[in-house]
Formats: sequence, C-alpha cells, structure tokens
Amino acid sequence: GDSVTQMEGPVTLSEEAFLTINCTYTATGYPSLFWYVQYPGEGLQLLLKATKADDKGSNKGFEATYRKETTSFHLEKGSVQVSDSAVYFCALDPSGSARQLTFGSGTQLTVLP
Amino acid sequence: ETGVTQTPRHLVMGMTNKKSLKCEQHLGHNAMYWYKQSAKKPLELMFVYSLEERVENNSVPSRFSPECPNSSHLFLHLHTLQPEDSALYLCASSRTQRNNSPLHFGNGTRLTVT
Repeated sequence: GDSVTQMEGPVTLSEEAFLTINCTYTATGYPSLFWYVQYPGEGLQLLLKATKADDKGSNKGFEATYRKETTSFHLEKGSVQVSDSAVYFCALDPSGSARQLTFGSGTQLTVLP
Repeated sequence: ETGVTQTPRHLVMGMTNKKSLKCEQHLGHNAMYWYKQSAKKPLELMFVYSLEERVENNSVPSRFSPECPNSSHLFLHLHTLQPEDSALYLCASSRTQRNNSPLHFGNGTRLTVT
C-alpha cells in the first residue's frame, strides 16, 4: 500500500540555520504530495503541495520539489525563525481524493533564538 | 479563526460516560472528516462525510459513532471508551473530496479517557 516515511525528530536548530526535513514515499502511479504544519495547540495547515514530477511547491520561505526518480519530497528552508517551531507532516494523495490522503508520522522542529 | 471550529478543546471522561465532540465549518465546504492523532503515529482517518458519500474506516471501533446533520456540522459520539482512545481528535473539511482539494483543520479536541 501507499506510505510516507519522514525523518525522525526531534530536530533542533538555531535561528537562521538551514533546514531540511526528509520525506520519501511509496505509491503506485503519480500521487500528489503535500507538506502540512501543526503549530502548538492547533490543527494542521497546508504548507505547500506539488501535483506532478519536478513541480516545486513553495510558501513562507519553505520549498519542496517532487522527485519521482528518488520518490522524495524533502522540505527545505534557507533561514529558519523561532516562529517556525512546529510539527511538519509529509503526505501523499494517490488519486486526488482527500479520503485517501496518507500522512507521515510528523517531525518536530524546534528553533532556538 | 481557522474556519473550522471544534468544541470542546479538552475533554476528560470515564470509560462508562457518553459524550460528543462537535465540529462546525464556516467555509462552505462539502466534505468533512474526523481524524485521530496519537503520539508518534501517523494521522488516522476515521470517517468522511460528503455530498457524494459517507466513508467509514472499518478498523474504527463501534464505540465511535459519527453524525453529520448537514454540510456544516459534524459530531463524533463517544461511549464506553478505553484508555487507549485518549488522543487528539481533529476535524477537517474540504471543498470536495476530489481534485486535490486541500484539507482545513480545526484545532482539535484533546480527549483523555480515565
């Protein structure tokens, strides 16, 4: 079946450091890929998405590129801020149907001032 | 204001209690979802309601019972829960179930079963 594997956290960085959170997936066909973010005490919010190979999703300084050859969708940001501290979830949708959305287990990011 | 409102934010209940979680969305969406979020586990989809269909995850125990009276409101009725049911329960909505329509989540109800 479809699955998403994220790097295990927690990840702790200093402000202005470079961030990479790895995400790889297993799926048949051509899934859409997403990153969601969950700030403390809140639900998940869509951060960015990519719907086909080589697409780059970007938002709030975060980027991720859909790499079909390596089945990856790594999240990157060049300079993190304290306000980026949150849990980040990679997810895939194999068919365009939200009820088939499969989430990774999440990566906790803490950014220190 | 997220557009998806869940109440209560926190709930503590005994194993013999009956309680309900409420979710309301003000986004004009046509699909609503219940997810269970447990520590160090992926989000688990429990139920989906939409204009197209109701979908259940067959692994969800019958002690969880959803109700969707209209497209804006979704309930999760709880009875005779177990301690392992303690988790964060998230409601979400989307414009449709299809076409990569993104999910909008509420802030969740933190449930503790004693």
